[in-house]
Amino acid sequence: NAGVTQTPKFRILKIGQSMTLQCTQDMNHNYMYWYRQDPGMGLKLIYYSVGAGITDKGEVPNGYNVSRSTTEDFPLRLELAAPSQTSVYFCASSSGTGVTPQHFGDGTRLSIL
Amino acid sequence: EDQVTQSPEALRLQEGESSSLNCSYTVSGLRGLFWYRQDPGKGPEFLFTLYSAGEEKEKERLKATLTKKESFLHITAPKPEDSATYLCAVQSILNYNQGGKLIFGQGTELSVKP
Repeated sequence: NAGVTQTPKFRILKIGQSMTLQCTQDMNHNYMYWYRQDPGMGLKLIYYSVGAGITDKGEVPNGYNVSRSTTEDFPLRLELAAPSQTSVYFCASSSGTGVTPQHFGDGTRLSIL
Repeated sequence: EDQVTQSPEALRLQEGESSSLNCSYTVSGLRGLFWYRQDPGKGPEFLFTLYSAGEEKEKERLKATLTKKESFLHITAPKPEDSATYLCAVQSILNYNQGGKLIFGQGTELSVKP
């Protein structure tokens, strides 16, 4: 059981470049999330989705976009990368029924130089 | 505004030396409090969910407890393999209705030396 899979694991971008972080889950979870984790700052929610075709902003959405065309996939798009977006990005999913835990992927480590 | 604060930021223990990690929270109606373990280079791994004050849950050397203002993660006779960062997160009634969002603390980095 793969759970939540994120690709790539590492990436270096130049300022102004764009890229898409991929996230897929095989647990048939309706809810999916994108977080960023910076040293000493905890996990901050970027965007979330409660089902295919439905997305909403979290705490720190500026500079990012998402889409949810299938239950399994929830890609995160960075347009015009900036040094402030250097971070570790985690995707998570949950069933959404009741108070259920979120299950995380192993992250994408992104550096913008 | 919902807030979660964990202390200490870092904790160094000798193998077998029991201790506790603290998670203080302010939230507009708690639906659940979650504890996660995070190893270097990995994503958070779910440990426990606590729902109401007075509740306790155990797993091997870990026991999580909950009051109306804080949660403790007690580690009994820790081993080096317990070394990790431990994260606490809360879900409020409001956030439950907004996609089940979690508010995370900044984590406690635990190091257990043999």
